[in-house]
Amino acid sequence: KAGVTQTPRYLIKTRGQQVTLSCSPISGHRSVSWYQQTPGQGLQFLFEYFSETQRNKGNFPGRFSGRQFSNSRSEMNVSTLELGDSALYLCASSLALARKQYFGPGTRLTVL
Amino acid sequence: KNEVEQSPQNLTAQEGEFITINCSYSVGISALHWLQQHPGGGIVSLFMLSSGKKKHGRLIATINIQEKHSSLHITASHPRDSAVYICAVKNRDDKIIFGKGTRLHILP
Repeated sequence: KAGVTQTPRYLIKTRGQQVTLSCSPISGHRSVSWYQQTPGQGLQFLFEYFSETQRNKGNFPGRFSGRQFSNSRSEMNVSTLELGDSALYLCASSLALARKQYFGPGTRLTVL
Repeated sequence: KNEVEQSPQNLTAQEGEFITINCSYSVGISALHWLQQHPGGGIVSLFMLSSGKKKHGRLIATINIQEKHSSLHITASHPRDSAVYICAVKNRDDKIIFGKGTRLHILP
């Protein structure tokens, strides 16, 4: 069974631009969560989706948004990029809420 | 003060040693997770605990809800266990809070 895939793996953007990151969960998994990891703040929770509905949201500004499609694939969008948005963005999928999560390799975003 | 504190921050040990990593939290939780992150960024979920003890191979995780404390133990440590180990809790509002991680280095 294929693991969680994230695209793109690496991305360079400039301040003010917007970016969309994609996550394809393990087949059969219906829950997708997103995390941001930076050297300064460590891992932080962004969103959790289940059956196309956002079930939980972390403490991030409205520039960060996401959605989940009927095939459980998920995207997250960051608008008006800031330098501080440079980070590794990780996606994790699970069969359902509160079940073991399987992480993708991450998308490394650099904002110049 | 962080809501999730891990100790030690860094740990270097010889192959074969018994390793203990600690996690203390200050909030009510519904679950606690232990994660392993290897150089390069890949994260593996090791355990999800809400009470008691779980074992998987050479790894053992325990949690004491009353004391708000969890430990991750590695028996017969091996250089391939070298990684960052991260504790995370889900609080009563379903928010996930991460510790800063413990960097473990096992020398051959």
